[in-house]
Amino acid sequence: DQQVKQNSPSLSVQEGRISILNCDYTNSMFDYFLWYKKYPAEGPTFLISISSIKDKNEDGRFTVFLNKSAKHLSLHIVPSQPGDSAVYFCAALWGSGDKLTFGTGTRLAVRP
Amino acid sequence: DARVTQTPRHKVTEMGQEVTMRCQPILGHNTVFWYRQTMMQGLELLAYFRNRAPLDDSGMPKDRFSAEMPDATLATLKIQPSEPRDSAVYFCASGLPYSDQPQHFGDGTRLSIL
Repeated sequence: DQQVKQNSPSLSVQEGRISILNCDYTNSMFDYFLWYKKYPAEGPTFLISISSIKDKNEDGRFTVFLNKSAKHLSLHIVPSQPGDSAVYFCAALWGSGDKLTFGTGTRLAVRP
Repeated sequence: DARVTQTPRHKVTEMGQEVTMRCQPILGHNTVFWYRQTMMQGLELLAYFRNRAPLDDSGMPKDRFSAEMPDATLATLKIQPSEPRDSAVYFCASGLPYSDQPQHFGDGTRLSIL
């Protein structure tokens, strides 16, 4: 049972345009959400997070939006750069805040 | 910059052999996680420890997998006997509980069982 879902396995975007990566979750107990970025042959690295008491968090070119009623979050990258090409994982936490539940990832390709 | 260190980075072995993967967490982090990355499941949590005590290993096949923390600077994940379906990338991560500090991942061990 996949509690965190990333339904788009891949996304291709032109450099300079906006990239929008989506994530849906089913467990209403989740109260903290994170995005990780992963390059080939490296481990995932933390990108940005959002608490369930907020609906938006921004860090430079990266913004995460949370819609609790829809159990949906999205990551916006503006403007997209070729160096953003990677696999992006959505993850969720709840309660004790220890166990991350990850989605299956979305591979982003930013075309020069 | 503090890093989680995993060894070996790559391992190729034959079915039935014992495999041991090692992880050195970031100094000061008292929670250690083992994940497996597969195409179908993404990142699956296998087991995790806090202060060296196992908290949850429900994601791990018990008959062949075992995870331990002999000391605060070393976590191990063993597979015995290994099977081809165990081929995957195994990640270790460390972090601090009850905080908004994210888990820090190592670069993984790519395991191939022939």
